[in-house]
Amino acid sequence: KAGVTQTPRYLIKTRGQQVTLSCSPISGHRSVSWYQQTPGQGLQFLFEYFSETQRNKGNFPGRFSGRQFSNSRSEMNVSTLELGDSALYLCASSKGGGNEQFFGPGTRLTVL
Amino acid sequence: QKEVEQDPGPLSVPEGAIVSLNCTYSNSAFQYFMWYRQYSRKGPELLMYTYSSGNKEDGRFTAQVDKSSKYISLFIRDSQPSDSATYLCATSGTALIFGKGTTLSVSS
Repeated sequence: KAGVTQTPRYLIKTRGQQVTLSCSPISGHRSVSWYQQTPGQGLQFLFEYFSETQRNKGNFPGRFSGRQFSNSRSEMNVSTLELGDSALYLCASSKGGGNEQFFGPGTRLTVL
Repeated sequence: QKEVEQDPGPLSVPEGAIVSLNCTYSNSAFQYFMWYRQYSRKGPELLMYTYSSGNKEDGRFTAQVDKSSKYISLFIRDSQPSDSATYLCATSGTALIFGKGTTLSVSS
């Protein structure tokens, strides 16, 4: 069974640009959650999507947004990038939005 | 106070040692507890998943939850160099809440 896949794996952007990251969940999983991981703050929850609806949102500014498609694939977008947005962005999927979440390898975003 | 606190380490042990990793949490309503293992440049991998208090064993790994003291532990027996990774504890509120992770190094 294929795991969670994320593209791209690495990304370099400059301040002010925007970026879109993609996540394909495990087949049959309908919930996708996004997390930001930094050395200083650790893993922090961004948002969760279930059946194309945002079900839960963390404490991040509106520059961070996401969506989910009918095939459960999800994208997250960060607009007007700041240096502090440099991080590993992780996507996790679960069957019904439960506690057993399975993570992808992440997208390493560097903002210059 | 952070909802989940975890000593970042680093923790260095020789091969074969018993390793104890610990976290504390603040909200007594939390019921589900998880341990993830994260290798360098990889995503976290779910290692153990427990509900409420008690112990759960899986091979060399034992997860323990003490709800009375809001303390969760992961024990690794007969540690191996391949266990060298960052270990993250997590609990579930409206979303997963993670500790910052403990970096473990097992030397051969």
